[in-house]
Amino acid sequence: DTEVTQTPKHLVMGMTNKKSLKCEQHMGHRAMYWYKQKAKKPPELMFVYSYEKLSINESVPSRFSPECPNSSLLNLHLHALQPEDSALYLCASSPGRGGDEAFFGQGTRLTVV
Amino acid sequence: RKEVEQDPGPFNVPEGATVAFNCTYSNSASQSFFWYRQDCRKEPKLLMSVYSSGNEDGRFTAQLNRASQYISLLIRDSKLSDSATYLCAVNGGSGTYKYIFGTGTRLKVLA
Repeated sequence: DTEVTQTPKHLVMGMTNKKSLKCEQHMGHRAMYWYKQKAKKPPELMFVYSYEKLSINESVPSRFSPECPNSSLLNLHLHALQPEDSALYLCASSPGRGGDEAFFGQGTRLTVV
Repeated sequence: RKEVEQDPGPFNVPEGATVAFNCTYSNSASQSFFWYRQDCRKEPKLLMSVYSSGNEDGRFTAQLNRASQYISLLIRDSKLSDSATYLCAVNGGSGTYKYIFGTGTRLKVLA
């Protein structure tokens, strides 16, 4: 079962709101990722957690705050976003050896108004 | 030079045709390579990993050319359902978790 589950599937939020995106996997993977994808562009890496520790932060603005409560869960906390942050936010996971195949969730389509 | 480059297409091919895409990468330390398929407004789905010796999965064949730093994807006997964007992904180096995606190549298979 190569399933990564993301909630919610769609989210509309105002620029003063605080919201969270959630991601869950039960494949025993030890690396989890957040990607951002704008229309007609490739996914862009935001954060990587490996073994529940933040290992990569691609200079993402602090209005995006990741959290990894345990090896199966990954959250992305959103605060004071801008309209240009509207995008598809994709969570992925991989076994954790580095260089493994990564499997994506269905994504959260975020609109900031 | 971008780290990972693909021809954005679109490639318009008739059903039954053979089509090939290339993806070039700039980091010679890259060790892992993948092809993903992405349908409109959906998530990328892993199509296949690309091994040094090349690999085949049904109508799909992937190759790696380390000397010239590119990977390729060949689709034989194209089906209408193959219409999608094909993204290559390259790992940033041995043991790293950084995957860099190409811009994707759009394929349209025409009836």
